[in-house]
Amino acid sequence: AQKVTQAQTEISVVEKEDVTLDCVYETRDTTYYLFWYKQPPSGELVFLIRRNSFDEQNEISGRYSWNFQKSTSSFNFTITASQVVDSAVYFCALSEAWGGQNFVFGPGTRLSVLP
Amino acid sequence: NAGVTQTPKFRVLKTGQSMTLLCAQDMNHEYMYWYRQDPGMGLRLIHYSVGEGTTAKGEVPDGYNVSRLKKQNFLLGLESAAPSQTSVYFCASSYSTSGVINTGELFFGEGSRLTVL
Repeated sequence: AQKVTQAQTEISVVEKEDVTLDCVYETRDTTYYLFWYKQPPSGELVFLIRRNSFDEQNEISGRYSWNFQKSTSSFNFTITASQVVDSAVYFCALSEAWGGQNFVFGPGTRLSVLP
Repeated sequence: NAGVTQTPKFRVLKTGQSMTLLCAQDMNHEYMYWYRQDPGMGLRLIHYSVGEGTTAKGEVPDGYNVSRLKKQNFLLGLESAAPSQTSVYFCASSYSTSGVINTGELFFGEGSRLTVL
């Protein structure tokens, strides 16, 4: 069965610090997709990134970067030079491709960036 | 382009009352989902649909029913509301770029906050 673990329940950092949010997943499929979503205080869910299981290249988008390591079943998310606007709950999610219309979400990590 | 729209946004019910949440998407997506979000538990899948006329149970389906009579709409019903169903409900849709393989990210509605007294 699919499972996503986000061990960090809450993280607080001071503005401009770097922060890494951990995500560990479990799946028996060889083809799957991993996602990160952001939920700011306003409540909507914002898509950040999708990564398929065959693409282990790290990705960078501005201050955001993602490290995908199949060997450790991890898909960690780093924010560089954090800003107050980064304060949100961040969810990691997994979708198995074949017959897996079921997206499974982790419990989320609440990030507070203090000025 | 509206994306995914949920109605109503807020609702207060008494135990035993019934109600329906409506989700509409205008992106021609095949897949639609209903999730509930509770503190510390992330999003849990209630029911989902892989196409018009089809529905399937997710992780927490008890106490809910769904229907997908039209491709663009996915309805979530509570026949007899219970306080345990107090939650924020999110509808989402997604697409597939390759037939049965689900490759797309989820597009979410803004959420519906339901309180059952």
